[in-house]
Amino acid sequence: AQKITQTQPGMFVQEKEAVTLDCTYDTSDPSYGLFWYKQPSSGEMIFLIYQGSYDQQNATEGRYSLNFQKARKSANLVISASQLGDSAMYFCAMRELNAGGTSYGKLTFGQGTILTVHP
Amino acid sequence: SAVISQKPSRDICQRGTSLTIQCQVDSQVTMMFWYRQQPGQSLTLIATANQGSEATYESGFVIDKFPISRPNLTFSTLTVSNMSPEDSSIYLCSVASRLADYEQYFGPGTRLTVT
Repeated sequence: AQKITQTQPGMFVQEKEAVTLDCTYDTSDPSYGLFWYKQPSSGEMIFLIYQGSYDQQNATEGRYSLNFQKARKSANLVISASQLGDSAMYFCAMRELNAGGTSYGKLTFGQGTILTVHP
Repeated sequence: SAVISQKPSRDICQRGTSLTIQCQVDSQVTMMFWYRQQPGQSLTLIATANQGSEATYESGFVIDKFPISRPNLTFSTLTVSNMSPEDSSIYLCSVASRLADYEQYFGPGTRLTVT
């Protein structure tokens, strides 16, 4: 069974500084995908970044980068140059890519980290 | 990326009643999913909505309580039946593509309050 662990219930960062949100995972599937989503108070889930288990390089998307350490089973999100608008809940999620049939595409989520950006 | 809309965006309902939530996607997608997010909690998968067949429910969720329809490749509905205050949650529709592993998107959600 898959499991995602986010050990930081809340994080604080000063505007314009970088912050790292932790995520560790556990799976028996050798092929998997890792996702990070941002959820503002409105409730929508905004896709931020994706890392495949066989990707050789760490994923980057603008100010977001994923520090993928496969041996440690960690996939930490790094947000550079934090902005006030980054204040939100952040979820790490995983999908097993070899899952067939009706299991394909199912995401398992961590408990989330609330990020607060101070001016 | 797929554009997903949900109706209603929010609702306040009386206990014992039912609410049907609609999910519309702007392109044909194979996989559609319904998630629930209870207050202060993470997301939990309710079921996978399969086109042309019965939905596949996760442990703890049953068809009588959460009937799902998937009449075509762009549309699905989730009904929350005989509601109680414990059903107060955000309900989110999600789609995934077999063509690209990274394509996994969510609708804006339906915020339900049961009084």
